[in-house]
Amino acid sequence: QQQVKQSPQSLIVQKGGISIINCAYENTAFDYFPWYQQFPGKGPALLIAIRPDVSEKKEGRFTISFNKSAKQFSLHIMDSQPGDSATYFCAALGGGGSYIPTFGRGTSLIVHP
Amino acid sequence: ETGVTQSPTHLIKTRGQQVTLRCSSQSGHNTVSWYQQALGQGPQFIFQYYREEENGRGNFPPRFSGLQFPNYSSELNVNALELDDSALYLCASSPQVNTGELFFGEGSRLTVL
Repeated sequence: QQQVKQSPQSLIVQKGGISIINCAYENTAFDYFPWYQQFPGKGPALLIAIRPDVSEKKEGRFTISFNKSAKQFSLHIMDSQPGDSATYFCAALGGGGSYIPTFGRGTSLIVHP
Repeated sequence: ETGVTQSPTHLIKTRGQQVTLRCSSQSGHNTVSWYQQALGQGPQFIFQYYREEENGRGNFPPRFSGLQFPNYSSELNVNALELDDSALYLCASSPQVNTGELFFGEGSRLTVL
């Protein structure tokens, strides 16, 4: 049972473009939604995270948009750069005393120069 | 500040063998979690240790076991290895138990032949 559905599986963007990755969750008890960035041969690194009391959070070129009623959240990468090429994972956790994250299957992003 | 370190980085085993993977948590972090990441998939939660006790377990059989030591370092042991156990095993430490902040190591790549 996949509780967090992530799309697209892969994404190709030109340098300077906007990359958008979407996630949908099922468990309404989730209350923390992080995004992780993983480069080949490395472990995932926390990129940005949001709680459901806000609809948007921005850190530099990275923005999370959160739609609680639709149970969806997305990552927007503005002015995408070749160095952003990596695999991105969304996750959801919290609620009911459990802080074990459920990860999406990942999106492989390639930014062409 | 030293990050999460894992060893070994790569190893090859044969079916039926046993393996031990090691993890040193980030300084000041008292919680360690282990994840299995198959190729092209998101990390799957194996278990979490807090203050040397197991504090949650994912959908993995008992042949996956672990330990946490007084210095918060940890081991993952897998007995009776199967071909499907081939994966990247990630260790993540957290500054406290109920937080979504995970700091991952670079992983141990296990190949079972």
